[in-house]
Amino acid sequence: AQSVTQPDIHITVSEGASLELRCNYSYGATPYLFWYVQSPGQGLQLLLKYFSGDTLVQGIKGFEAEFKRSQSSFNLRKPSVHWSDAAEYVCAVGAPHSGNTGKLIFGQGTTLQVKP
Amino acid sequence: NAGVTQTPKFRVLKTGQSMTLLCAQDMNHEYMYWYRQDPGMGLRLIHYSVGEGTTAKGEVPDGYNVSRLKKQNFLLGLESAAPSQTSVYFCASSSWTGSSYNEQFFGPGTRLTVL
Repeated sequence: AQSVTQPDIHITVSEGASLELRCNYSYGATPYLFWYVQSPGQGLQLLLKYFSGDTLVQGIKGFEAEFKRSQSSFNLRKPSVHWSDAAEYVCAVGAPHSGNTGKLIFGQGTTLQVKP
Repeated sequence: NAGVTQTPKFRVLKTGQSMTLLCAQDMNHEYMYWYRQDPGMGLRLIHYSVGEGTTAKGEVPDGYNVSRLKKQNFLLGLESAAPSQTSVYFCASSSWTGSSYNEQFFGPGTRLTVL
């Protein structure tokens, strides 16, 4: 069965520092991969997605993620964090052949705190 | 273009009361989903729909019912609320292109407290 693991529940970085949030998945083939951001009291907003092709994908707000098949990972990165990036980040996985349901499996989320 | 909207935003119920949460989307999406989000648990799928008039159970369907009478609306019902149903509920929708499905778009959530 598919699963998604975000090993870090909470991360604190200083403003201007680089960021990497980890996401590992379990699936027999190449899945669809997503990163969402959730601000307090808000719904989830898509940052970026990977379906196929170039394994380094660019997203909104200066984020990027790299799909590494050998490591079953899809880590999210940003070279310089801004205070406004403080939020919860959620990784999600979808199976391309999931019976045409579009269902996703979500990780537990990583809460990012940014120190001034 | 409002995207996905949810009504109400907040609600407090007493144990045993019933209520319906409404989700509406204006993107003509085929698929719609109801999730609950609890601390440390991530999003868990309650029910979903792949088209008007169809519904299916997700990961945690007990105590909930759904209906999708119109393509743009997806209703989540609690017939007899329990404290364990205290949670934040999110609705989402997505589309199918014929060869792949796209990302899910989320509503702002409904915070439900059952006393």
